Amino acid sequence: NAGVTQTPKFRVLKTGQSMTLLCAQDMNHEYMYWYRQDPGMGLRLIHYSVGEGTTAKGEVPDGYNVSRLKKQNFLLGLESAAPSQTSVYFCASSYLVEQFFGPGTRLTVL
Amino acid sequence: GIQVEQSPPDLILQEGANSTLRCNFSDSVNNLQWFHQNPWGQLINLFYIPSGTKQNGRLSATTVATERYSLLYISSSQTTDSGVYFCAVEHLNTGNQFYFGTGTSLTVIP
Repeated sequence: NAGVTQTPKFRVLKTGQSMTLLCAQDMNHEYMYWYRQDPGMGLRLIHYSVGEGTTAKGEVPDGYNVSRLKKQNFLLGLESAAPSQTSVYFCASSYLVEQFFGPGTRLTVL
Repeated sequence: GIQVEQSPPDLILQEGANSTLRCNFSDSVNNLQWFHQNPWGQLINLFYIPSGTKQNGRLSATTVATERYSLLYISSSQTTDSGVYFCAVEHLNTGNQFYFGTGTSLTVIP
């Protein structure tokens, strides 16, 4: 039982490049979330999903897109990366309300 | 949204000391969780506590939802308790969206 996994762990992008972050969970959770963590600001919700095929915007959705084609996977896309998107990205999943987090992806945009 | 304030922002303790961390929130909440982010960045669930009191070993938490605050107690602190402690709340009016405080950074020195 791996819990919540994230791929990749680290990535460096140039401004304007695109990439996709993958989150996978093996706990059969309905809810999945993408957060970003910046120094001194805690975690902020980007997008979330309440089930397969559904997505919704969180607190800071601009510049990101998401997809939930399979229940166990939640993808976060950056179509045209900007330096302001340099951050640590965390994925989480939950059955009802208690969230469980992945190990994070450290993204640097130059 | 909802404002979540944590205090103190930083705390340095001698090993064996006790501490109380506070989380204030500005509006009614469905749910509240406490997390510990270890020095390697992993977010670990401590408590899911929308109301009442829970204990787990040396840690305990109390949430008084009607007064909009929660407390995390750490007794007999150990160096492994070091890290950042976050409070996260699910706003009553925007279900499924969690808002994090900016955390309390705890350093336990031997």
